[in-house]
Amino acid sequence: DAKTTQPTSMDCAEGRAANLPCNHSTISGNEYVYWYRQIHSQGPQYIIHGLKNNETNEMASLIITEDRKSSTLILPHATLRDTAVYYCIVRALSNFGNEKLTFGTGTRLTIIP
Amino acid sequence: EAQVTQNPRYLITVTGKKLTVTCSQNMNHEYMSWYRQDPGLGLRQIYYSMNVEVTDKGDVPEGYKVSRKEKRNFPLILESPSPNQTSLYFCASSVTPGLAFAYEQYFGPGTRLTVT
Repeated sequence: DAKTTQPTSMDCAEGRAANLPCNHSTISGNEYVYWYRQIHSQGPQYIIHGLKNNETNEMASLIITEDRKSSTLILPHATLRDTAVYYCIVRALSNFGNEKLTFGTGTRLTIIP
Repeated sequence: EAQVTQNPRYLITVTGKKLTVTCSQNMNHEYMSWYRQDPGLGLRQIYYSMNVEVTDKGDVPEGYKVSRKEKRNFPLILESPSPNQTSLYFCASSVTPGLAFAYEQYFGPGTRLTVT
């Protein structure tokens, strides 16, 4: 799985868009970008994933650059409940192998009232 | 509601007293996995299971056992717990590995274990 680099921490005002960057310059053509978050000591929660195209769901949007070397997770209207550690994970389909997720240190996002 | 449940959520025990942490999912998932989370070390995989009666070691299997007799359940067994197994444990599940599309994993709420 490709290595990812994320800022250690970020703050965002409540109601504003939170933009969380992730660098994955060694990503391979068959590797997906996943985002998970972990709210204080709770189980990690899936947010979104993408391969090449930008993706949007009810929680967030994922913008992947054309060269796929970086991506940005966007929470459009951040609330206090979005305060969490956000993990960017890059991995390929397992081909019937172990589906282990490798969580790095992530970005600690704090939403400011 | 699709979910992964774990029991107990909190447990304080003594060294050497066998314990089992249960994990159950209601999504008919083939793949299940156990992680432990420790400060500064992140989440590390303990064991995983590709399907019923198919289990394998993860990165930190020492001191743990698992079983997969039913598709929905994947208990984690500590036969002789030691203080270095004090940790936050998470169970996870997902659909059949190796499908030709990406998918999410579902995590349980966690079990905080303290071994004294």
